[in-house]
Amino acid sequence: GESVGLHLPTLSVQEGDNSIINCAYSNSASDYFIWYKQESGKGPQFIIDIRSNMDKRQGQRVTVLLNKTVKHLSLQIAATQPGDSAVYFCAEKEAAGNKLTFGGGTRVLVKP
Amino acid sequence: NAGVTQTPKFQVLKTGQSMTLQCAQDMNHEYMSWYRQDPGMGLRLIHYSVGAGITDQGEVPNGYNVSRSTTEDFPLRLLSAAPSQTSVYFCASSYSVRGTMNTEAFFGQGTRLTVV
Repeated sequence: GESVGLHLPTLSVQEGDNSIINCAYSNSASDYFIWYKQESGKGPQFIIDIRSNMDKRQGQRVTVLLNKTVKHLSLQIAATQPGDSAVYFCAEKEAAGNKLTFGGGTRVLVKP
Repeated sequence: NAGVTQTPKFQVLKTGQSMTLQCAQDMNHEYMSWYRQDPGMGLRLIHYSVGAGITDQGEVPNGYNVSRSTTEDFPLRLLSAAPSQTSVYFCASSYSVRGTMNTEAFFGQGTRLTVV
């Protein structure tokens, strides 16, 4: 079936720099795109979502960009901190659906 | 406010044994679900429920049963454990809007299950 395609690379970032995590999706019917953060030994935690009729949404230190033309989603973290070290998952959901389809995750390591 | 609580945190089973993973939430969420997470992969939906008395299958339901007798609890039963069910299991809950889950799901801490 269709799925959010994201391999599990590792992104090493210097503390204080900006991080950009990318995700490709394949389901054109998805209405929401979501980012989750998973710290070691914990369950995923919601960060931010964006509707398919938007191309940008900002939160606290995070920005999500959506490019429907190329089916690409990104999460930008400003001024990356040690507490941002985690695995980040993108996920998608249809408006009337009851399922989050997750990608494979990206590990972010913040170097002091 | 405990959020989503899963028990046990760790479990080792022998092939063929059965067990129940417990999940409870105290946020009065209508929607609850079970995911499994395998190394290097994202989470895959096993079963979900949009309210008490209602359950449905996700992507990988085979070998698992669920029931939803109360709003708070959503146990996951492994009928006859197999090594392929070795995984980390997460329970999640969310608000529902018109019977559809919200994008913000609250996850438990997970249950690490090993089947030998």
